[in-house]
Amino acid sequence: AQSVTQLGSHVSVSEGALVLLRCNYSSSVPPYLFWYVQYPNQGLQLLLKYTTGATLVKGINGFEAEFKKSETSFHLTKPSAHMSDAAEYFCAVRGTGRRALTFGSGTRLQVQP
Amino acid sequence: GAGVSQSPSNKVTEKGKDVELRCDPISGHTALYWYRQRLGQGLEFLIYFQGNSAPDKSGLPSDRFSAERTGESVSTLTIQRTQQEDSAVYLCASSLVGPDEQYFGPGTRLTVT
Repeated sequence: AQSVTQLGSHVSVSEGALVLLRCNYSSSVPPYLFWYVQYPNQGLQLLLKYTTGATLVKGINGFEAEFKKSETSFHLTKPSAHMSDAAEYFCAVRGTGRRALTFGSGTRLQVQP
Repeated sequence: GAGVSQSPSNKVTEKGKDVELRCDPISGHTALYWYRQRLGQGLEFLIYFQGNSAPDKSGLPSDRFSAERTGESVSTLTIQRTQQEDSAVYLCASSLVGPDEQYFGPGTRLTVT
């Protein structure tokens, strides 16, 4: 069975500050890991994904995430927050045996001017 | 090209009525998924279709929920005898077989009064 824990349902940062959204997972098999973003009244959009290979993954809009197997983590970062980054962010995991994604409960990011 | 589309975008129904939600996947995508997103929560997997294989129904919460898919085309999620706890946003996603990225539709917001 797989599970995803996102620490902090709400995160608030100042514009220009570092963004760090935390995600820890449990999986009995090597996982595929994803971060999705959901803007208000819109569907989910893929930010980045880890399947195999390099553990530091770069995504759209300046976001990146690092897969750390020893810590079972896949935290999302962005060096400098922009007002347009305000949205809800979901971490998800998929094991090799099942194609459906298991999602965390989400983190709402607020960016203060 | 066109993305995943869902209809209706909003549905208000009375407790006990049946509802049908529709999903049009991206053309050529053989895999189709339904998820449910309750207010303030992450996405819950409901059902997965892959080509002509038997669907993975392991996420359906009760026998009031069912879904069909015509070939590799449109899918319909049916909820019979709706209950207030069925109120949620129902999201559809589609993907190719090999790559892992799921493309999400905008969702149908279901409100059961």
